[in-house]
Amino acid sequence: DVKVTQSSRYLVKRTGEKVFLECVQDMDHENMFWYRQDPGLGLRLIYFSYDVKMKEKGDIPEGYSVSREKKERFSLILESASTNQTSMYLCASRPRLAGVEQFFGPGTRLTVL
Amino acid sequence: AQSVTQLGSHVSVSEGALVLLRCNYSSSVPPYLFWYVQYPNQGLQLLLKYTSAATLVKGINGFEAEFKKSETTFHLTKPSAHMSDAAEYFCAVSQGSGYSTLTFGKGTMLLVSP
Repeated sequence: DVKVTQSSRYLVKRTGEKVFLECVQDMDHENMFWYRQDPGLGLRLIYFSYDVKMKEKGDIPEGYSVSREKKERFSLILESASTNQTSMYLCASRPRLAGVEQFFGPGTRLTVL
Repeated sequence: AQSVTQLGSHVSVSEGALVLLRCNYSSSVPPYLFWYVQYPNQGLQLLLKYTSAATLVKGINGFEAEFKKSETTFHLTKPSAHMSDAAEYFCAVSQGSGYSTLTFGKGTMLLVSP
């Protein structure tokens, strides 16, 4: 089975802190994604990556950056956390093949105080 | 460009009743369509997907969906709801290439009463 793991299930940070969210997949997938999920808004794409050291902005990249130094790992960085970044963050991966679904991690619920 | 509209943020059914969750999509190219389910405090799990083969797609847990190109719909159904079906359901569309992204609807919360 494909496994996507996220470093924390719950995280509490203070405004202005630098926050790292880590995602690891074990199926050698080329593509990886970061979403945030908020009630009534569904999932919104923050950043995605097609390959190591490659990144593309999604729909809401402001206030975030990403890093992909190894194929299996995709990190989301909040340079200076703000209260409006309190949300559920979901990581996903998929192979670079037509029609194949994305596989999701369990999510990290981040609270910024 | 692509988009998804899920009609109804909440749907309530009784146990044993028909489940119908509605999804309308728009896509400039032939779409690939997905339904995901999310149980509380968990990630998303694939229920089923349409990838240009049969228009009636069967998924896990007794769910199925029908792709209707002329109506641009991909509604999710289950003949008889179970208490364990209570969850949030997301419809998503992609253009299907190896580089494509998913566009999600806002989700529909399914409530099942005894």
